[in-house]
Amino acid sequence: NAGVTQTPKFQVLKTGQSMTLQCAQDMNHNSMYWYRQDPGMGLRLIYYSASEGTTDKGEVPNGYNVSRLNKREFSLRLESAAPSQTSVYFCASRGTSGISTYEQYFGPGTRLTVT
Amino acid sequence: GDSVTQMEGPVTLSEEAFLTINCTYTATGYPSLFWYVQYPGEGLQLLLKATKADDKGSNKGFEATYRKETTSFHLEKGSVQVSDSAVYFCALRRNTGTASKLTFGTGTRLQVTL
Repeated sequence: NAGVTQTPKFQVLKTGQSMTLQCAQDMNHNSMYWYRQDPGMGLRLIYYSASEGTTDKGEVPNGYNVSRLNKREFSLRLESAAPSQTSVYFCASRGTSGISTYEQYFGPGTRLTVT
Repeated sequence: GDSVTQMEGPVTLSEEAFLTINCTYTATGYPSLFWYVQYPGEGLQLLLKATKADDKGSNKGFEATYRKETTSFHLEKGSVQVSDSAVYFCALRRNTGTASKLTFGTGTRLQVTL
């Protein structure tokens, strides 16, 4: 049981390049989330998916797109990377029953640098 | 909108000292409150939670009490260890809707020295 996994762990992009951050969970959770973490700003929600087949914007969605490929996988795409997107990106998932109803489980993060 | 305010860090303490990290919130309704911990190079882990007023969450020697009258959820530990060095995030979840969105504070870095 790996929990929430993210790939890659590190990535350097040039301005204008595109890339997709991958996230997968093996806990059969319905809800999945993408956050970015910046110094002095805590975590901010980019997009979320309440259930398979649905996605919604969070607090800072501009410059990003997401795909909920199936119940396990939720990817984040940067179509044209900008230096302002340099950040650490975290994926999370949440169960909807039992003791995991409230808790979001986080992946280890992807550190992205855009030059 | 919802917001969470945490004390500025870093907080530097000697081992076995008493820890308090302040957290206050602004939200409509009756949110659930959480403390998450992030160890160096890792993702966030849930440390403790409280879902209604006057509830006390506790885990690994850490405690926090949900105080609705002061809209606070301060984190305390009686005797910190070097292994407690990490960044601590206070967060709230408003109990409406299905997606369970969390609002985080900015985080407080704790450094414990021998």
